[in-house]
Amino acid sequence: NAGVTQTPKFRILKIGQSMTLQCTQDMNHNYMYWYRQDPGMGLKLIYYSVGAGITDKGEVPNGYNVSRSTTEDFPLRLELAAPSQTSVYFCASSLRDPGLYEQYFGPGTRLTVT
Amino acid sequence: TQLLEQSPQFLSIQEGENLTVYCNSSSVFSSLQWYRQEPGEGPVLLVTVVTGGEVKKLKRLTFQFGDARKDSSLHITAAQPGDTGLYLCAGAGAGNMLTFGGGTRLMVKP
Repeated sequence: NAGVTQTPKFRILKIGQSMTLQCTQDMNHNYMYWYRQDPGMGLKLIYYSVGAGITDKGEVPNGYNVSRSTTEDFPLRLELAAPSQTSVYFCASSLRDPGLYEQYFGPGTRLTVT
Repeated sequence: TQLLEQSPQFLSIQEGENLTVYCNSSSVFSSLQWYRQEPGEGPVLLVTVVTGGEVKKLKRLTFQFGDARKDSSLHITAAQPGDTGLYLCAGAGAGNMLTFGGGTRLMVKP
């Protein structure tokens, strides 16, 4: 099993550019999440989804958008990149409630906005 | 907003020493998880504790959930270089989503 895969692994954006971070899971998990992790810090929840067609904001949603058209895919869109969005982005999935069921994380995408 | 504070932020010890990492909050959590993260990788779940006062052991690691479900600790006995990494606690609260602590970066020197 591949688990949770993310692409790209690294990306440099100029201010104002847009991009989509891809995330795919092959575990048939209902719940999927996007987190960002700033240097030396914990993870902050950007958006999450409890199933195909359902998305909701997390703690830090501003500047991002998501969609969940299939169970497997949960892309994260940055429309107008800003230096404050420089971070490492992690996608994760879990079968059900994240407090009781293990979250499986992808390897991360390191994004730099200059 | 529910906050989780971890202490210490950094810990550098010699192989064979014992250590304890703390995770504290003023909020009550329905469950608490501990993750370990290595450089360039995503976090990996170590344990989930659900009941106040619960103690779980994973080889040389002992996890405890506070009686009031507001705090937790991770104790490592006889640390080894392979224990080096970033340890994150995460509590499940409102909406059952996880709130992560800031992490404890552990380095175990041979």
